[in-house]
Amino acid sequence: QKEVEQDPGPLSVPEGAIVSLNCTYSNSAFQYFMWYRQYSRKGPELLMYTYSSGNKEDGRFTAQVDKSSKYISLFIRDSQPSDSATYLCAMTFHSGGYQKVTFGTGTKLQVIP
Amino acid sequence: EAGVAQSPRYKIIEKRQSVAFWCNPISGHATLYWYQQILGQGPKLLIQFQNNGVVDDSQLPKDRFSAERLKGVDSTLKIQPAKLEDSAVYLCASSLGLAGYEQYFGPGTRLTVT
Repeated sequence: QKEVEQDPGPLSVPEGAIVSLNCTYSNSAFQYFMWYRQYSRKGPELLMYTYSSGNKEDGRFTAQVDKSSKYISLFIRDSQPSDSATYLCAMTFHSGGYQKVTFGTGTKLQVIP
Repeated sequence: EAGVAQSPRYKIIEKRQSVAFWCNPISGHATLYWYQQILGQGPKLLIQFQNNGVVDDSQLPKDRFSAERLKGVDSTLKIQPAKLEDSAVYLCASSLGLAGYEQYFGPGTRLTVT
């Protein structure tokens, strides 16, 4: 079992739809939870990070963490064609004085105009 | 603020040849990361530096990969000799501290080994 599981998609939605992207994890030591967006042939770009269970909102994006279920989600409201990209979840845990990072495999999202 | 710079952007080599990648992190960022991203997968950490010291190189194939960060700024990642399975995008990222949750990535170097 991988430490971080993410549905690879692809996920195709019409413009304006609400998108839900999800990751599950097995390591209860994970502390920080991040979402990155990666456009084709570009490096990942940090969207948001959260520390505790609950929701965090930034514009059209909402990150949700449920530590009891080891499940995190990213919701995108009013999706736009410019949101078409691969979304990577990532998590860190404390190890030897630093935060060790593990990435999911990414979910490819396509928003159809 | 300038982002993370990487060069070259693309490289094609034959197996058993050597190759080197260069990274210049965001000014003031003490932590530098090298990742390998194979097509369809998430980034896999190869090595992490804090200033010019190695924090984590547990997933670096040390028989063929090496990395250094002289003077705690620029870094180079080298592969010698390259194998077909090394074909991937090599990403460099940096962060202010060791927290790891706010990393800034460069555009990557796409390596093709034939």
